[in-house]
Amino acid sequence: KAGVTQTPRYLIKTRGQQVTLSCSPISGHRSVSWYQQTPGQGLQFLFEYFSETQRNKGNFPGRFSGRQFSNSRSEMNVSTLELGDSALYLCASSLRADKNTGELFFGEGSRLTVL
Amino acid sequence: SQQGEEDPQALSIQEGENATMNCSYKTSINNLQWYRQNSGRGLVHLILIRSNEREKHSGRLRVTLDTSKKSSSLLITASRAADTASYFCATDEGSSYKLIFGSGTRLLVRP
Repeated sequence: KAGVTQTPRYLIKTRGQQVTLSCSPISGHRSVSWYQQTPGQGLQFLFEYFSETQRNKGNFPGRFSGRQFSNSRSEMNVSTLELGDSALYLCASSLRADKNTGELFFGEGSRLTVL
Repeated sequence: SQQGEEDPQALSIQEGENATMNCSYKTSINNLQWYRQNSGRGLVHLILIRSNEREKHSGRLRVTLDTSKKSSSLLITASRAADTASYFCATDEGSSYKLIFGSGTRLLVRP
């Protein structure tokens, strides 16, 4: 069974640009979560989707958005990039449909550098 | 916001020794999980302990949970150089569809 796939793995952008990151969950997983990891703030929750519905959103500005498609694949978008958006963006999928979060399966991440 | 705080932030031990990491959290939980992350890679799930459990074992891993103290510990026995990684605890917030991760412990196992 293929794991969680994130693309691209590495990317470099400049301030003011926008970026779209993609995540393909494990087959059969309908829940997809996104996290931002930085040395200063650690792992911060961005949002969670289940069956194309956003069920929770972290404390990030509106520049950060996401969506989930009918095949459970998910994308997140960051507009008007700032230097502080440089981070490892991690996607995770899960079988759990209820509110009690079970095991998350993580992708290898997309490392974004903003210059 | 981070629910869990981990202690120590960094730990260096000799191969064969045991490593103990501690996690404290703030609110009531349904379960607590531990994850491992090799440098710059994705996280890998190690073990999940439910709020009504006090101890759980998986191979060389032993996790304890004390809900009265809002704390958990992860013990890795007979450590190996390959155990070198960062270890994170993660808790849910009840009904929130998200995990909140601690700050992590960086473990270095010297050969």
